[in-house]
Parts: sequence; structure tokens; C-alpha cells
Amino acid sequence: DGGITQSPKYLFRKEGQNVTLSCEQNLNHDAMYWYRQDPGQGLRLIYYSQIVNDFQKGDIAEGYSVSREKKESFPLTVTSAQKNPTAFYLCASTGRTGYTFGSGTRLTVV
Amino acid sequence: RKEVEQDPGPFNVPEGATVAFNCTYSNSASQSFFWYRQDCRKEPKLLMSVYSSGNEDGRFTAQLNRASQYISLLIRDSKLSDSATYLCALENTGGFKTIFGAGTRLFVKA
Repeated sequence: DGGITQSPKYLFRKEGQNVTLSCEQNLNHDAMYWYRQDPGQGLRLIYYSQIVNDFQKGDIAEGYSVSREKKESFPLTVTSAQKNPTAFYLCASTGRTGYTFGSGTRLTVV
Repeated sequence: RKEVEQDPGPFNVPEGATVAFNCTYSNSASQSFFWYRQDCRKEPKLLMSVYSSGNEDGRFTAQLNRASQYISLLIRDSKLSDSATYLCALENTGGFKTIFGAGTRLFVKA
């Protein structure tokens, strides 16, 4: 079945540490996205990529970085510069009918 | 003013009730509209697209009012399984970005 796979499901980060969240899709979608969701809040766009080797900052890109070396993969790195990284991170891609989301990664700073 | 606004709820309704949610938007250039359903601690999933002529899928009806700049979701004969958060989303002209509302929480009780 086609879909988006995010890993890991849960991730714990120490202060000052960089961590990378994986996102892989086999839907053959060109556009991919990273969103952050905090409790009781909507989805906020971190980065998006319309095509391989190209990506743009979203509304809250500070402290994050991405790469798009392959169509199928769009990993997100949460750097030590992100001061409040504890959140639910969702990767998505778009086809003809709306967004398809991965099952998300819950990141907690310990 | 936020680009997309939803009543956060929660809406508490008995089984069998009819419930309606609205979502207002500020950008009159918005082109495409959607409703997503998000279960607790899960990813959002597309519920339905919203067309100018309105559309219905079983117990769910979505409508768009461009003059007043809002979309609505009507759920008839509510089931316990309808308990979730409902997110509205819109896409602006020529954009690859979709903007999500913060969601409306629905609890259906026996």
C-alpha cells in the first residue's frame, strides 16, 4: 500500500543535541511538507519542498533544517537552536486530493 | 486576524444528534477547501473536499459560502466513533501551501 512512513514514533532529545526525523513516501508525490503541532493548536508549517533538491521555509523554520536529495525522502533535523522543540511533528505529501500525512513523531526534550 | 479560525469547542452532543461546525477564512483568494479528521494522538486524515456547490458523503455535508467567507461541516445522526477533532484547511491561489485551522473538538456521548 502507498503511504508515508515516519520514524521514529517517539524521540527523546537532550538539551543541545541535534536530532533527525525521517519521512519516506512511496506515493510518487512531488510536494512534501513538515508541520509541527502543539497541544490544542493547529498545524504550523516548518518547511516544504515542491521538487527534488529544492525546498522553502515555512512559517516557523528557525532552528530546523531539511534536505530533499530524493523524491521519496524529506528528513527534518531539529537543531540545538530550536529552543522549544517538544511537539508532535507531521510529515505530509500532496497528490490530487488533499494531503496524506505520516503517523507522526513525538519529540520530547529531556 | 488569523487566516483561518475555528471554534475550538469542545462540542458535547448525544448520539443521534446533528452538529455543525464553521470555519471562517480571511483571504478571499482562497481556492480549495477541505475538512480533515484527527483522532487523539494520531495524524489528520482527509474527510472531504468542499466544493462551491456543496457536497455530501453519507452523514456528512460540507458547504462553502464565498460571500461570507466560511465553510461548514454538518454531521447528522452522530455516532460515538465521530468523536475527534475536525480541522478545516484551505489552499490559496497558485500556492503549494495549505493553511490549517486549529480544529474543533467533538465528543459524542451515549
